[in-house]
Amino acid sequence: GAGVSQSPSNKVTEKGKDVELRCDPISGHTALYWYRQSLGQGLEFLIYFQGNSAPDKSGLPSDRFSAERTGGSVSTLTIQRTQQEDSAVYLCASTAIGGGDTQYFGPGTRLTVL
Amino acid sequence: EDQVTQSPEALRLQEGESSSLNCSYTVSGLRGLFWYRQDPGKGPEFLFTLYSAGEEKEKERLKATLTKKESFLHITAPKPEDSATYLCAVQAPATGFQKLVFGTGTRLLVSP
Repeated sequence: GAGVSQSPSNKVTEKGKDVELRCDPISGHTALYWYRQSLGQGLEFLIYFQGNSAPDKSGLPSDRFSAERTGGSVSTLTIQRTQQEDSAVYLCASTAIGGGDTQYFGPGTRLTVL
Repeated sequence: EDQVTQSPEALRLQEGESSSLNCSYTVSGLRGLFWYRQDPGKGPEFLFTLYSAGEEKEKERLKATLTKKESFLHITAPKPEDSATYLCAVQAPATGFQKLVFGTGTRLLVSP
């Protein structure tokens, strides 16, 4: 594909349920990032993966949030026991090899927790 | 703590009416300043990266400039299709080179 893809585009869940959000980065991109965009707020960094290095998890808001990246490509962000404050748009971005610092974003997943 | 402040929060222009958006930042050792455009329901679309004070970049009706404390996004003779939210972000060693710290954006509406 030409760009970063994310699925699902929309997810509605009930409070207390677990959800999984998927990100497919641009082919060949080694770095992958997750951000969260809440209404009226700026994008908030969540987690960063670079190659085979240990991920930078410093932005995860609680231990209910986790992410993994399999085979250096696809990433899944998991939110356990969702809360209403988890409602937001979750954005994924990737960076090219030797492409400097430019992060290219996917369309996002809009999560609504009822 | 690294901070990014964008102003105004919202801006309404008539088609052809030029203006500027401001991004003020407080970081320890700026590595790069990024401008993105975000349309409703979509992810941010990359526009520019600026690395040092005095640097300028242009793309169509947009021109981005950088000083040691702020960046401006100048929009010359805007068209309705320029309507979007414009996001500014910084990358600095204190935040980790990889992370972007974003402002809350400026919502631009250009009326025909």
